[in-house]
Amino acid sequence: SQQGEEDPQALSIQEGENATMNCSYKTSINNLQWYRQNSGRGLVHLILIRSNEREKHSGRLRVTLDTSKKSSSLLITASRAADTASYFCATEQFYFGSGTKLNVKP
Amino acid sequence: KAGVTQTPRYLIKTRGQQVTLSCSPISGHRSVSWYQQTPGQGLQFLFEYFSETQRNKGNFPGRFSGRQFSNSRSEMNVSTLELGDSALYLCASSTGTGALYNEQFFGPGTRLTVL
Repeated sequence: SQQGEEDPQALSIQEGENATMNCSYKTSINNLQWYRQNSGRGLVHLILIRSNEREKHSGRLRVTLDTSKKSSSLLITASRAADTASYFCATEQFYFGSGTKLNVKP
Repeated sequence: KAGVTQTPRYLIKTRGQQVTLSCSPISGHRSVSWYQQTPGQGLQFLFEYFSETQRNKGNFPGRFSGRQFSNSRSEMNVSTLELGDSALYLCASSTGTGALYNEQFFGPGTRLTVL
């Protein structure tokens, strides 16, 4: 399968803590993206990291990519209740993983 | 700039009927992709259109079809609806495709219920 697979499937943390989600994939990729989805709504693009990049930052988000291990991680620092959502990685533009459901408790 | 719009937002159909969903991409975006999202299967790619041509296709039966018009607006059609077609159908637009690919912008989705 070309799909990314996220780990863990669900994560519950307190506001202010950091949240780390991992994504593994099976085939070679040109890029990998992370998206957020609030319940029952469309997805919002967070970060795109290309295969020749190892790390990328955007505000409180940090994404790493290890092509040798075929894995990526998304770190959300100083989480807020508003970060509660499902997070998906996507490989090669079209193939989305099953998502990590993040719950940030106020 | 207006975002991706999808119509209708909610739809109820019965088995055997057909349905057409519409997607208007962000102005200037030439790539439109369609996805089906269900609790059991997650987000699954249906197809992508770029400049009126289907460039990529997911693993769905022929009952699922689509097209793109010269103004980049896209429609998808599902014929002979089955109960399992109940899902949130998401449309996304992008400036490029393949090697030109950048982020996708998603619409709010059409919630289809098949009774």
